[in-house]
Amino acid sequence: DVKVTQSSRYLVKRTGEKVFLECVQDMDHENMFWYRQDPGLGLRLIYFSYDVKMKEKGDIPEGYSVSREKKERFSLILESASTNQTSMYLCASSRFSGNTIYFGEGSWLTVV
Amino acid sequence: AQTVTQSQPEMSVQEAETVTLSCTYDTSESNYYLFWYKQPPSRQMILVIRQEAYKQQNATENRFSVNFQKAAKSFSLKISDSQLGDTAMYFCAFMKRSGAGGTSYGKLTFGQGTILTVHP
Repeated sequence: DVKVTQSSRYLVKRTGEKVFLECVQDMDHENMFWYRQDPGLGLRLIYFSYDVKMKEKGDIPEGYSVSREKKERFSLILESASTNQTSMYLCASSRFSGNTIYFGEGSWLTVV
Repeated sequence: AQTVTQSQPEMSVQEAETVTLSCTYDTSESNYYLFWYKQPPSRQMILVIRQEAYKQQNATENRFSVNFQKAAKSFSLKISDSQLGDTAMYFCAFMKRSGAGGTSYGKLTFGQGTILTVHP
């Protein structure tokens, strides 16, 4: 069974803090993704990675960066958190040309 | 770029009845996949059903079926014999199919979501 694990389910951070959201998958998937979910907007792609050290911007990359030093781990970084980044963040993974996407359980981030 | 539109923010249905959730999309691609995902209160995204655009036959998974109208770019989800456990947010999503034109890397474009409530 594929498992995508997001290490933090609920976080509260202060404005200006640097925030790390970690995601680990256990199925040797090439592709990993970070989505942001907001009411009325659905899920929007922030960044994705198709290989170690490779990253591509998604639809809303502003204010975020990512790191993929190992194949199984994909980190989302908020360099200086702002209140408009309060949201639910979902990590996902898939095989390189696969069409089955596996999601983590989400991380709720509140920036105060 | 692709867009996916779900025009029904909320829907409700009585247990055991049938409900249809609407989805339209816009794309210039000819090869793609369409999906319906379910997100219950636990927030875990669950794949409900997948349709390959080159297949004319509508996909079916038990009580869930789709009405795929490629020319109209419409992809609705029908839930038959609704159950209380069907209460969730439902997302329609689009993925370009990887092929000779390159890989899609599995990127999904989502609609806004429809909250479905099943009443006893």
